Parts: sequence; structure tokens; C-alpha cells
Amino acid sequence: AQSVTQLDSQVPVFEEAPVELRCNYSSSVSVYLFWYVQYPNQGLQLLLKYLSGSTLVKGINGFEAEFNKSQTSFHLRKPSVHISDTAEYFCAVSMDSNYQLIWGAGTKLIIKP
Amino acid sequence: DTGVSQDPRHKITKRGQNVTFRCDPISEHNRLYWYRQTLGQGPEFLTYFQNEAQLEKSRLLSDRFSAERPKGSFSTLEIQRTEQGDSAMYLCASSLGTGGGNQPQHFGDGTRLSIL
Repeated sequence: AQSVTQLDSQVPVFEEAPVELRCNYSSSVSVYLFWYVQYPNQGLQLLLKYLSGSTLVKGINGFEAEFNKSQTSFHLRKPSVHISDTAEYFCAVSMDSNYQLIWGAGTKLIIKP
Repeated sequence: DTGVSQDPRHKITKRGQNVTFRCDPISEHNRLYWYRQTLGQGPEFLTYFQNEAQLEKSRLLSDRFSAERPKGSFSTLEIQRTEQGDSAMYLCASSLGTGGGNQPQHFGDGTRLSIL
């Protein structure tokens, strides 16, 4: 069965510092990978997606992620965070055979001034 | 593209009452999904429509929950005889697609349900 692991429930980081949010998945078949962001009291907004092709994917708000098939990872990075990046970030995977998204538990990004 | 719209944004009701939520998906999207999210958790799948057909319903969904998507456009989610445990954010999402999961889902801002 497929699963998604976000090992860090919270990541505190100083403003203007770089950040990496980790996501690992398990699947015996090819997957599609997504990162979503959720601001307080709002729905989920798509940050970026990997479907095929280049393993480095750029998204909105200066975020990027790298698909590593051998390590089954899809970590999210930003070189310099801003206070407005305070939110919860969810990693999700889906497959060719099924519409369903398998979700990670989320990582809260806490920006320290 | 006006995005996915959900109404109401907040609903407060007494235990035992019925509630209905509405979702208007992105107009060209044929797939529509309902999720439930509680504090500190990721979205939990409830049900899925392809056009007007409800193709899957989570086993976690009790008989008190029902969803419709008449004419394959907007959808409603009704909860009958609400219970304290129904308090959550109810999220709607839509996407294109006819087979697998290579089309991203686009979410509305959700309806927050509070049961008194």
C-alpha cells in the first residue's frame, strides 16, 4: 500500500533563513507528487507538482522541490523564508491507476522573527 | 477561473440538527471530491464524483452523511442528526481527469462546522 511520511510535525526557522520540509513516500508503482500549503482557516493551495520530466520542480512563492526516485523523496525547499510563509504544508501522492491522493500528516512551518 | 467556492464558510448548529453544505467546482472540472479535516490532521477522504456519478464513498462515512452532484455541476453534502464528532472543516476539491491521478486537485476554502 502507498503511504506518505512527513517526519517533521513542526519546523521552526528564522526569517530569511533557508528551509527544507521533508517528504518520503512508499509505492511499488510510479507516482505523481504534490505539495500543498494551508494558511490558517483556509483551504489547501497547490504549491507545486511533479508529474514527469525534470526532477527539480519550481512552484509558487519561491518554493521548489526535488524528486528523488532512488530515495523515494520529494523534499520542499525555499532559500529564504518570509513571515508570510507561516502555514502548514502537506505532501501528497497519487498514481496512474487511481485518482485518490494519499496525504502526509503535514508540517507546520514556524517563522521566527 | 474563479476557483472552487464553498458555502457557508462557517456553520454553528446544535447537536441533532441537519446541515447542508454547497460546493461549486471550477466550471470545466468533471471530478469533485469531499474531504473532512480536523485540527492538526491532513484531509480525510469522504467521497468522489465523476460528473454526476458518485463513484466512491469512504467506509468511514456513516449513513448520516449524503452527497449529491445533480447535473454534474455543484455538489451538496448533507449531515443528518449532527453529533459532536462531526465538528471539523469540510473541504471540497475539483479536478479534471478520467483515469489516474495526474491532474492536481484544487480546493475551496472549506466550511467550518461547529456542533454545540
